[in-house]
Amino acid sequence: LAKTTQPISMDSYEGQEVNITCSHNNIATNDYITWYQQFPSQGPRFIIQGYKTKVTNEVASLFIPADRKSSTLSLPRVSLSDTAVYYCLVGSNNAGNMLTFGGGTRLMVKP
Amino acid sequence: KAGVTQTPRYLIKTRGQQVTLSCSPISGHRSVSWYQQTPGQGLQFLFEYFSETQRNKGNFPGRFSGRQFSNSRSEMNVSTLELGDSALYLCASSLQERATAKNIQYFGAGTRLSVL
Repeated sequence: LAKTTQPISMDSYEGQEVNITCSHNNIATNDYITWYQQFPSQGPRFIIQGYKTKVTNEVASLFIPADRKSSTLSLPRVSLSDTAVYYCLVGSNNAGNMLTFGGGTRLMVKP
Repeated sequence: KAGVTQTPRYLIKTRGQQVTLSCSPISGHRSVSWYQQTPGQGLQFLFEYFSETQRNKGNFPGRFSGRQFSNSRSEMNVSTLELGDSALYLCASSLQERATAKNIQYFGAGTRLSVL
């Protein structure tokens, strides 16, 4: 399974763009990159998923370089309510794979 | 469409007791997986079920067990509770068969278990 590395924590201010980078040097050909957001005492919530290049939805953008060894979650104009833990997951549907969460990145948005 | 529902939301038990937690997946989802979240260990995979069959199991002792019913609802049971079992227990459901990083999981709000 591809191991992921993310910053433990980040601080930002309201209205700024936040970029959280995840390293996954041993990503496999079949692996997808998926990000979840978790608020305290709630379950994680799916944000965005991609395989290569750029993916954008109403919440965030995901940038994946050609070598796919890293990915960047971009949150435009964050607000206080974006304060949460963000998890980067990398994997495929290969037999034996199970959903594994790392430590995530704790984002604190300040007024 | 209703989301994943977990009951109860909060539970207090004492050491040695046993506990059963319930999870109702999103309508139409047949895959259910369970996770334990603690401040020290983070979010850890417990087990997953699809069509009433356990497909995968995490590295937890046999005191942790689960099952899935024909309507896809799932329960997990912890016997002989220990203080270290205090955690947020999360359930997730998915349209796809496997709980993997590729298949999008929809999580419930969790059950907060405190063992005294």
